[in-house]
Amino acid sequence: DQQVKQNSPSLSVQEGRISILNCDYTNSMFDYFLWYKKYPAEGPTFLISISSIKDKNEDGRFTVFLNKSAKHLSLHIVPSQPGDSAVYFCAASGGGSARQLTFGSGTQLTVLP
Amino acid sequence: EPEVTQTPSHQVTQMGQEVILRCVPISNHLYFYWYRQILGQKVEFLVSFYNNEISEKSEIFDDQFSVERPDGSNFTLKIRSTKLEDSAMYFCASSEKSAQYFGPGTRLTVL
Repeated sequence: DQQVKQNSPSLSVQEGRISILNCDYTNSMFDYFLWYKKYPAEGPTFLISISSIKDKNEDGRFTVFLNKSAKHLSLHIVPSQPGDSAVYFCAASGGGSARQLTFGSGTQLTVLP
Repeated sequence: EPEVTQTPSHQVTQMGQEVILRCVPISNHLYFYWYRQILGQKVEFLVSFYNNEISEKSEIFDDQFSVERPDGSNFTLKIRSTKLEDSAMYFCASSEKSAQYFGPGTRLTVL
């Protein structure tokens, strides 16, 4: 099941620079997308989400972009901080009562001081 | 800030035994979920629960699994006869609208 794909297992970025994490999906029924951050031995922490009626949503240092025609979304973190180092998961859900989240495999972000 | 809590943090059990994993969702949330993550694999949806009944379930959620909201605060996942392949992190989540908030997880080890 590869409905949500994160093709980069890892990403390293210098502190203060921009981190860009990417996610692709194949199911055209997905209409809500979320990004989660996860530290080892903890549960996923909700970061930011976007509905399919929008193409951008911003919250502080985090911005999510959605390109529906390409079935692609990205998370931008700027400026990146060492505390941002974690695994980032992209997730998607379908419309109506279908609330189950389908997760990507995650990208390990390392922010270097 | 309100958060989802889960107990126990780690459960070790023998194959064939029953286990109950407990969760306290965020108090004003109406939707509840269980997910699991087998080591090295993706987080997988198991079941969602709304208005005291299951609203969605995955193929993983077979007759060995059940969920219950026994009172106004707890939400439980029961595995009747555990198998070795049930070893995983089990995450509870809750939501008011669309964003789901996860608990810290229970690590289930089946020997």
